[in-house]
Order: sequence, then C-alpha cells, then structure tokens
Amino acid sequence: DAGITQSPRHKVTETGTPVTLRCHQTENHRYMYWYRQDPGHGLRLIHYSYGVKDTDKGEVSDGYSVSRSKTEDFLLTLESATSSQTSVYFCAISEEQGYRNEQFFGPGTRLTVL
Amino acid sequence: KQEVTQIPAALSVPEGENLVLNCSFTDSAIYNLQWFRQDPGKGLTSLLLIQSSQREQTSGRLNASLDKSSGRSTLYIAASQPGDSATYLCAVGGAAGNKLTFGGGTRVLVKP
Repeated sequence: DAGITQSPRHKVTETGTPVTLRCHQTENHRYMYWYRQDPGHGLRLIHYSYGVKDTDKGEVSDGYSVSRSKTEDFLLTLESATSSQTSVYFCAISEEQGYRNEQFFGPGTRLTVL
Repeated sequence: KQEVTQIPAALSVPEGENLVLNCSFTDSAIYNLQWFRQDPGKGLTSLLLIQSSQREQTSGRLNASLDKSSGRSTLYIAASQPGDSATYLCAVGGAAGNKLTFGGGTRVLVKP
C-alpha cells in the first residue's frame, strides 16, 4: 500500500462547515495528489503537490484548498462544504524511479455533506 | 485536454476465458499509462505501468500493450478467475507532475 494512510475514513458533515482531510505517507515521496471519485465522472484530480509548500491546481479545484508543510502530510480543506462535494476522496503518491513514475493510492475517505 | 475512454463499461465472461479490456486516449503525448484494479468500496491497486517508450508490460497473467500513435492500450488477463471480478481503470500520465487522467473503467464479472 506504499505506506499511505488517510484520515478520517468516513465523515458526515453539514453544508457550510469546514472540513479537512489528511493524507500521510511514510516513504518521503515528492509528489502527492488528491482525487475525487464520483459515479458518472470517474476519478478527477483536485490538487497536487511537488514538494513542501509547492502545490498546484488540478481539474476540479474550485472550493478546495491544500497545504503541505511537511513531506509526509498533504491536507485537503473544504472551506465551506457543499452537497456537491459529497464524494470519495483518494490521496495518491508518485513513486519515482528514474524515468518511471508509478502512482499508488490510499484507501480513500468517504465524505457526505448533508 | 486529454480524454480517456474505456469500452465496454461492463462485461461478463465465464471462468477460464481470456479477458480483453480496451483503453483509448485522445492526446498521444503521454508520459506513461497505468492500469488499476478497484474492488467495490475499496481503493485502487496498481496493476501495470507502461512508460511511453515501451510497447508492452507483463505481470503474471496480465499483459498490457501500448500503441501511442493510435492512442490505444489493451489489458489482457489470461485464464480469468472469479477473483478477477472487479472494475479495471486505465489512466494516462502527462510529463508535468505525472498527473493522471482516468477512463471511466470497465466493470468485469467472471462467472464460475
């Protein structure tokens, strides 16, 4: 599982509340990613990070922010959750071996916004 | 914008039959292509990674081919088993940050 954990694994919250999801890795990988998975839309990239304090937007970044103050942690924040952000959120790392970059995924967080 | 398509969305085969899963992408300027397996309610498990300079990659009963010029990849699973029942996802990575673009997946059912 490439040493990736996500917390919490399940969360139910109400519209308008802030939510932070955490991704933790144990192997000092440089690249980390947040994806969301929705029926009919598949997996889509929200934000990614290429180093401490270095982040960039993905395809569906509106309403989300991220932070990476340590190599091992990548946080995804929903400043004011909306029902459209109900989804399963996956964190991933990219394992670099020369020109080879293989992504490995965490177990996911199921978020429900009521 | 890269678009990845997997057809069919679902298929059912009897145990022992070989599986052929298709993936197509619109922009041939890819860095790599990765195949994943996802069981219901679970995360993604990486099956095979093919770099853009490779034509195929093999792991056990799995073989994946890549034809960049035609924008296609095929995942072959030999002698399918009921345990192969899952959703299979194809994803292509770009050079900048290896951001993955996913297909919608093919849901496979292998009947005993």
